[in-house]
Amino acid sequence: ETAVFQTPNYHVTQVGNEVSFNCKQTLGHDTMYWYKQDSKKLLKIMFSYNNKQLIVNETVPRRFSPQSSDKAHLNLRIKSVEPEDSAVYLCASSFTGGSERLFFGHGTKLSVL
Amino acid sequence: GEQVEQLPSILRVQEGSSASINCTYENSASNYFPWYKQEPGENPKLIIDIRSNMERKQTQGLIVLLDKKAKRFSLHITDTQPGDSAMYFCAASASNMGYKLTFGTGTSLLVDP
Repeated sequence: ETAVFQTPNYHVTQVGNEVSFNCKQTLGHDTMYWYKQDSKKLLKIMFSYNNKQLIVNETVPRRFSPQSSDKAHLNLRIKSVEPEDSAVYLCASSFTGGSERLFFGHGTKLSVL
Repeated sequence: GEQVEQLPSILRVQEGSSASINCTYENSASNYFPWYKQEPGENPKLIIDIRSNMERKQTQGLIVLLDKKAKRFSLHITDTQPGDSAMYFCAASASNMGYKLTFGTGTSLLVDP
């Protein structure tokens, strides 16, 4: 059953546009993540938040900005998208720490034309 | 940071045979090693994990082995079935790098009936 909800499922846009993705988890977790999965299926962490605080901020372009209003919600905004941003963006959540099970959403597939 | 190498990238086996996937990591402080399965069009799901206080763990046709000295861990699927066909990802995290799970590059497993 799904407990990490992402919207939208798909988004097609043009270079230079701004996009926003939303994620909500109903598992009571206190840590949330954004992962990027490219066309080769590589999973790369982008950000993680613990109780609304940014904990991990990998080397991603500055046009990416996460936002968290509370521990159940984590959004991702991309200003001025580039073709290389085309990917599936997976949101995940877990309890505190680096050794807890991640629950993933079904992802938002972004296509930049 | 942590780097996780995973081999092979593609694995094709006959139904009923076993399949093995190997991963190596760099950070000697890594202490948690989960394995995720991702079926086509689906999100990654945890199938088994092992912590650094164990060398072997087995559950429902899955065996994971951990060699901390060699910084190597592996997944063995016994008696493979067509339903085992999927992408498999190993991952590692360290308590001193909390909130950050680093994934391997993935193995595409195909089980021929």
